[in-house]
Amino acid sequence: EAGVTQFPSHSVIEKGQTVTLRCDPISGHDNLYWYRRVMGKEIKFLLHFVKESKQDESGMPNNRFLAERTGGTYSTLKVQPAELEDSGVYFCASSRDRENTEAFFGQGTRLTVV
Amino acid sequence: DQQVKQNSPSLSVQEGRISILNCDYTNSMFDYFLWYKKYPAEGPTFLISISSIKDKNEDGRFTVFLNKSAKHLSLHIVPSQPGDSAVYFCAASELFSSGSEKLVFGKGTKLTVNP
Repeated sequence: EAGVTQFPSHSVIEKGQTVTLRCDPISGHDNLYWYRRVMGKEIKFLLHFVKESKQDESGMPNNRFLAERTGGTYSTLKVQPAELEDSGVYFCASSRDRENTEAFFGQGTRLTVV
Repeated sequence: DQQVKQNSPSLSVQEGRISILNCDYTNSMFDYFLWYKKYPAEGPTFLISISSIKDKNEDGRFTVFLNKSAKHLSLHIVPSQPGDSAVYFCAASELFSSGSEKLVFGKGTKLTVNP
């Protein structure tokens, strides 16, 4: 069974540019989560999809961040325009259902905004 | 406002000894707790979990203890092995009436097991 995959693994962009991160969850997992870890800080929740619907997006920092999950499969997280404080590692995770709370994480995308 | 706190950023133990990683939380609505292990350049991997209705869960060398009254949990690794060297994240889960769930992570504790 393939795990959660994220693309790209690293991205370096200039302030003001746009970046789109992609996450492919484990097949059959309805729940998809995005998290972010800023250097030296805890991993923070961004949002939660159940299939194609945004169940909870309370962790999204501001309206420069836009997440989509087309057809309930893969998800994208777009940052536009990127700011310096957006730098960090963005993790995606998926889980089958709440009874199986153990979410499986991708390897993360390290975003550096310069 | 940190709801999940791991007050020790690092821990160093000798191979074969016990490693004890601690975690405190403030939100009494958390009902499920998890430990994740993270190697450099990889995503966190699930290690062990415990429901709030239990006070202990054991899986091989790993045991998680939960003290609800103290809002404290700990992860015991016995015996510790060099391959256990990683960053360990404590996470707490809260289920909302809407059906959404949120995981809140601590900052992590870097464990180094010396041969």
